[in-house]
Amino acid sequence: DAGVTQSPTHLIKTRGQQVTLRCSPISGHKSVSWYQQVLGQGPQFIFQYYEKEERGRGNFPDRFSARQFPNYSSELNVNALLLGDSALYLCASSLEGGGDTQYFGPGTRLTVL
Amino acid sequence: AQSVTQLGSHVSVSEGALVLLRCNYSSSVPPYLFWYVQYPNQGLQLLLKYTTGATLVKGINGFEAEFKKSETSFHLTKPSAHMSDAAEYFCAVSEANSGYSTLTFGKGTMLLVSP
Repeated sequence: DAGVTQSPTHLIKTRGQQVTLRCSPISGHKSVSWYQQVLGQGPQFIFQYYEKEERGRGNFPDRFSARQFPNYSSELNVNALLLGDSALYLCASSLEGGGDTQYFGPGTRLTVL
Repeated sequence: AQSVTQLGSHVSVSEGALVLLRCNYSSSVPPYLFWYVQYPNQGLQLLLKYTTGATLVKGINGFEAEFKKSETSFHLTKPSAHMSDAAEYFCAVSEANSGYSTLTFGKGTMLLVSP
């Protein structure tokens, strides 16, 4: 079975631009979470979605938004990019969220110049 | 609020030596605990997890971890290191929060294995 997939693999943007990252969960998983991993740090929680509804949000500004589609895939959008948004963005899927094990995709490396 | 502390940003061992990566957590409720491994330029791979029951948990690639509630610890061990174990390891805690739960990660420990 295919694991979590993310696209694109790498992305280079300039300050002020907007970016959309995409994630497809493991088949049968209904919950998707997004994490930001800055170089040298552990991942930090951004959003969790379940059945197209936002379940939780981490301590990130309103420039960050996300949505989940009927097929359970998800998009993360970041507006007005800052240099500090440069990071590896990880998507994780789980059966229903809650305490379920989260399985991670390979990530999207975003570089903001 | 939950938190995770991983002692040592880098740990160096020789091939064949014992691997010990330390993790301490804080949580206001019984936690779920996880160890993930990250190889260069890749995502996170689950090594093992503790939810309830037996406190010694066995994972993939010969790793195991023991949940010690009294010490709020969940240290990761492997009896004999292989070169292929060189990677970054993350300890994480999950705690139910208003109907959902998220992972809170430590800062990671880079494991270096020398021949």
